[in-house]
Amino acid sequence: GAGVSQSPRYKVAKRGQDVALRCDPISGHVSLFWYQQALGQGPEFLTYFQNEAQLDKSGLPSDRFFAERPEGSVSTLKIQRTQQEDSAVYLCASSNTGQGGEKLFFGSGTQLSVL
Amino acid sequence: SQKIEQNSEALNIQEGKTATLTCNYTNYSPAYLQWYRQDPGRGPVFLLLIRENEKEKRKERLKVTFDTTLKQSLFHITASQPADSATYLCALDGDSGYALNFGKGTSLLVTP
Repeated sequence: GAGVSQSPRYKVAKRGQDVALRCDPISGHVSLFWYQQALGQGPEFLTYFQNEAQLDKSGLPSDRFFAERPEGSVSTLKIQRTQQEDSAVYLCASSNTGQGGEKLFFGSGTQLSVL
Repeated sequence: SQKIEQNSEALNIQEGKTATLTCNYTNYSPAYLQWYRQDPGRGPVFLLLIRENEKEKRKERLKVTFDTTLKQSLFHITASQPADSATYLCALDGDSGYALNFGKGTSLLVTP
């Protein structure tokens, strides 16, 4: 595709609900990243995929957060039993080969509000 | 653990002047450093990358320096324009070699 696409753009959830956020990376990009960005802060790393393999999930804040990329393209970030502190913008990024030093292409993010 | 610090205060400058943003880091020796621009409601957009063995890099009105002794990068926008108003983020390769770790960003406002 032309760029990284994320959906939904906005999501409002009641506390305790499960949510699923989708990311469509640039076609052919090997690497896919999820970041969490709180208001006024920089993006915080959550997890990294190289093709379908999740190579790093050290940034996931709790076991309520789960990410997958089963066919090495589209990825889903799932948050179970959402809490108010999960409210943030969730950004997805992809890069071409996954080599260190590559620039990242970001989507516009999903803004999650947990009430 | 790795710590990245950017100017915490917003930077307000007049159109035509040079904007200089600072990125300092500790507890790490990155192989490269990247700068991104982020507009409200959008994801970050890549601007420039500089490697540890490069002292300076330029692209049009942008210039980045990288001092690995001081553990600091400076990002300059010359002849600034109101359209340059945005938040600028610096990012370093993380310990794992995969992820980029970002600073909080510096908000730049260029007034006519």
